[in-house]
Amino acid sequence: AQTVTQSQPEMSVQEAETVTLSCTYDTSESNYYLFWYKQPPSRQMILVIRQEAYKQQNATENRFSVNFQKAAKSFSLKISDSQLGDTAMYFCAFMKHYVLDHTGTASKLTFGTGTRLQVTL
Amino acid sequence: DVKVTQSSRYLVKRTGEKVFLECVQDMDHENMFWYRQDPGLGLRLIYFSYDVKMKEKGDIPEGYSVSREKKERFSLILESASTNQTSMYLCASRGTSIYEQFFGPGTRLTVL
Repeated sequence: AQTVTQSQPEMSVQEAETVTLSCTYDTSESNYYLFWYKQPPSRQMILVIRQEAYKQQNATENRFSVNFQKAAKSFSLKISDSQLGDTAMYFCAFMKHYVLDHTGTASKLTFGTGTRLQVTL
Repeated sequence: DVKVTQSSRYLVKRTGEKVFLECVQDMDHENMFWYRQDPGLGLRLIYFSYDVKMKEKGDIPEGYSVSREKKERFSLILESASTNQTSMYLCASRGTSIYEQFFGPGTRLTVL
């Protein structure tokens, strides 16, 4: 079974600064996907960024980027130029496909326990 | 935009009651999911469905059942609610793209 570990329950960063959220995972799979999801205080979870394991290049989405170290099974999220709107819970997630007893394939996400990020003035 | 809606934001029930949580998505997604979210535990998958009338157990299915009679609707059922089922319940859907699940706003269920 896959496990996802986020070792930082809470973090704080000042506005305009850079912060890095850590995530490690454990799997024997070679082909999988990794995600960072953001859950603002309003509770609607949204996707921040994704990374395909077969891609060596780190994904980037505007101020958000990842440091994907496949051998180390590490997937950290860097937020540059932090903004007050970045205040949220951040979840790291792992996904792989598997076969459903001859009826096709499915996939499901395994989430970490989350990191609560507070952006301050 | 994809929209996933859940029938209630807050719900209070008594121990032993049968509870229905409803989820509806408007993007014709094949896959739908139910999670519960608890502090310090993250999101844990209860059940998911990859097609109408099809379901698969997630990591914590005990005490729950699901129903998917129509493609857009996925219901989570607590047959006999217990206090340890007090939690935030999140529904999600995903289409043929494998990259993203879209989440509903969540239902905070309190069982007294």
